[in-house]
Amino acid sequence: GDSVTQMEGPVTLSEEAFLTINCTYTATGYPSLFWYVQYPGEGLQLLLKATKADDKGSNKGFEATYRKETTSFHLEKGSVQVSDSAVYFCALSPNFNKFYFGSGTKLNVKP
Amino acid sequence: EAQVTQNPRYLITVTGKKLTVTCSQNMNHEYMSWYRQDPGLGLRQIYYSMNVEVTDKGDVPEGYKVSRKEKRNFPLILESPSPNQTSLYFCASSSDRVALGEKLFFGSGTQLSVL
Repeated sequence: GDSVTQMEGPVTLSEEAFLTINCTYTATGYPSLFWYVQYPGEGLQLLLKATKADDKGSNKGFEATYRKETTSFHLEKGSVQVSDSAVYFCALSPNFNKFYFGSGTKLNVKP
Repeated sequence: EAQVTQNPRYLITVTGKKLTVTCSQNMNHEYMSWYRQDPGLGLRQIYYSMNVEVTDKGDVPEGYKVSRKEKRNFPLILESPSPNQTSLYFCASSSDRVALGEKLFFGSGTQLSVL
């Protein structure tokens, strides 16, 4: 079945460090891929998305490229800030109605 | 302001006592869904609805019911809650362009504890 696997956390970085959170997926066909972010006490918010192979999603300095050959959608940011501390979820939607989420990766950024 | 509103935010109940968690959206979205979030498992889909009177099971529907009598509302019903349904629940909605990658709008969550 369809699924998403992302690296376990927590990930702890110093401010201005480079961030990578790995995400790989299993799906038939051509799913849309997403990164959602969850701040403490809140619901998830869309961070970025890509709907076809080789698309790059980007937002707020975060980027992820849809790699069909490696079935990956890794999240990157060149210089993290304390305000980026949150839980990040990779997700895919293979059809019209279902979404599959990874288990989430908690990011802690220290000043 | 566009939003998805869930109530209550926190709920403590006992095994077997029927409860309803409400969800309402003001964006005229056709698609609505419910998820539960558990540590180490991420979000798992319980039920979804493509429009009024159209609902279908997600990956973990056992022990839950839903209804979609109006476009804006999508309540989650636990007829006989059990402790394994203790979880953080999220409602989400989207336009009918879910297939093309439109984003989900999430509510703030309902923390349910079943004793």
